[in-house]
Amino acid sequence: GDSVTQMEGPVTLSEEAFLTINCTYTATGYPSLFWYVQYPGEGLQLLLKATKADDKGSNKGFEATYRKETTSFHLEKGSVQVSDSAVYFCALSSSGSARQLTFGSGTQLTVLP
Amino acid sequence: NAGVTQTPKFQVLKTGQSMTLQCAQDMNHEYMSWYRQDPGMGLRLIHYSVGAGITDQGEVPNGYNVSRSTTEDFPLRLLSAAPSQTSVYFCASSFSRTSELTDTQYFGPGTRLTVL
Repeated sequence: GDSVTQMEGPVTLSEEAFLTINCTYTATGYPSLFWYVQYPGEGLQLLLKATKADDKGSNKGFEATYRKETTSFHLEKGSVQVSDSAVYFCALSSSGSARQLTFGSGTQLTVLP
Repeated sequence: NAGVTQTPKFQVLKTGQSMTLQCAQDMNHEYMSWYRQDPGMGLRLIHYSVGAGITDQGEVPNGYNVSRSTTEDFPLRLLSAAPSQTSVYFCASSFSRTSELTDTQYFGPGTRLTVL
């Protein structure tokens, strides 16, 4: 079956540091890939997505590139801020639907001033 | 718009008790779903609905019932709670059953349930 493996956390960085959160997947066919973010006390929000190989999703300074050859979708940001502190979830959909999602276990990010 | 709302925020139950987790959305979304979030396991789909009167099972449906009598509401029922149902529950909704590849799910803030 489908699965998503995320870098284990928690991750603690200083403000303006470079962020990478690794995500690899196993799926049938050609899945769509997503990153969701959960701020404290809130529900999950879609951060970015990519629907085919070599697509790059980007939002709020975050980027991730769909790499079919390595089955990866790593999240990166060049300079993190304290306000980026949250839990980040990698997810996929192999049914062609953005709603039937398989999630990774989440990575807690804390950014210190 | 309030978006997706869930009540209660926290709940403690004893084994065997029943309860309903409420979920409502005011965005006229057709698709709604329930997930549970457990430590180290990410979110798993429990049940979903593509419109009023239509529901289907997700990955982990056992022990839960749902119904969709209106577009706005999608309650999740635990008929006889078990400690294995201790989890954080998230409701989500999205707009269209036709634009699936580009559809965005909107999540509620979650309900933290403890079953003793």
